[in-house]
Amino acid sequence: NAGVMQNPRHLVRRRGQEARLRCSPMKGHSHVYWYRQLPEEGLKFMVYLQKENIIDESGMPKERFSAEFPKEGPSILRIQQVVRGDSAAYFCASSPYRGENTEAFFGQGTRLTVV
Amino acid sequence: DQQVKQNSPSLSVQEGRISILNCDYTNSMFDYFLWYKKYPAEGPTFLISISSIKDKNEDGRFTVFLNKSAKHLSLHIVPSQPGDSAVYFCAASAPGANSKLTFGKGITLSVRP
Repeated sequence: NAGVMQNPRHLVRRRGQEARLRCSPMKGHSHVYWYRQLPEEGLKFMVYLQKENIIDESGMPKERFSAEFPKEGPSILRIQQVVRGDSAAYFCASSPYRGENTEAFFGQGTRLTVV
Repeated sequence: DQQVKQNSPSLSVQEGRISILNCDYTNSMFDYFLWYKKYPAEGPTFLISISSIKDKNEDGRFTVFLNKSAKHLSLHIVPSQPGDSAVYFCAASAPGANSKLTFGKGITLSVRP
């Protein structure tokens, strides 16, 4: 039973380019969360999605960032026109159901470096 | 505004002794607390959790204590092992928050052989 799969593990982009980060949740999980970890910081919530729906995007920057979780395929976090401040580790987590007191299972993360 | 605080950035403990990792929170709406362990270049791994209706939860070598009045929780690892060396994150969630987690900055635990 594969865990949460994220790819790529490392991504280098020049300023102004687009970054696409992919996340395949654990089998049977239909709830996906994206978190960002800046250097020397904890993980910060960005967005929560179910299949074809954004449930909570309160942690997502208003511009340049978008996320989707289509009916088929992985969840995608898209960052347009990247800037140096976007350099961070981006983690995806999944859970099997929308409930209180549910732990989320994390992927290994994508480390984005903007040069 | 840091709602979950892990004020000690690092802790060093001798193998076999107890490790105590502390965490404070400011949001009184938090009712579920979790500890995650993270190795370099890997994602966080769930360790143990506690609901606000309890004050203690134990799982093998790991015990989490919750003091609601002090808004404080701690993770006890006993006996500590070298393989426990990692970054430990405290996280919390509130009712109706879609299970999204608020994390502390983490504590780096080093267990000396």
